[in-house]
Amino acid sequence: ETGVTQSPTHLIKTRGQQVTLRCSSQSGHNTVSWYQQALGQGPQFIFQYYREEENGRGNFPPRFSGLQFPNYSSELNVNALELDDSALYLCASSLSGAGNEQFFGPGTRLTVL
Amino acid sequence: KQEVTQIPAALSVPEGENLVLNCSFTDSAIYNLQWFRQDPGKGLTSLLLIQSSQREQTSGRLNASLDKSSGRSTLYIAASQPGDSATYLCAVLQGAQKLVFGQGTRLTINP
Repeated sequence: ETGVTQSPTHLIKTRGQQVTLRCSSQSGHNTVSWYQQALGQGPQFIFQYYREEENGRGNFPPRFSGLQFPNYSSELNVNALELDDSALYLCASSLSGAGNEQFFGPGTRLTVL
Repeated sequence: KQEVTQIPAALSVPEGENLVLNCSFTDSAIYNLQWFRQDPGKGLTSLLLIQSSQREQTSGRLNASLDKSSGRSTLYIAASQPGDSATYLCAVLQGAQKLVFGQGTRLTINP
């Protein structure tokens, strides 16, 4: 069984640029959620994708967008990067259905200069 | 709005001690509660999941309890080891989609 993988591991961008982060879900999982974790804080929910549709969104602006593909992998796109977007971005996969456990990937560390 | 609080923010104990980490949440309408471990700069490792209808879960030296009516959970670690040093996060699943996290307890086990 393959776990959740994310790429790249680290990324450095400058303010105003755009970035794409990628996530492959755990084998058999059809739901992907994205979280942002600032240094010293708990992760914050960005959004969730199920059946290639956004299925819930946290308090993040529209410049944070995503995609889910037929193989259940997912992308997080962030436009017009700001310094405060510097964080660890975590992807979690799960089976659809209330109460199912979410399994997290290793994260992508984004630094915005 | 759900708020999750973890106390203490940091804890340092000698090896071999038993310890308790605390988590409280403001809205009892949750699907489940998860405890995670996070090593510095790494992702989250799920330790225990307690469904809303359950009272506790055990895995090895770890035991987690849930009292939904009072909005509290505890993580008990028995016979602590230096390898247990990490940040421990609790999170409640709300709306079937969204995990709401506390800020974590940074645990240091001293040899």
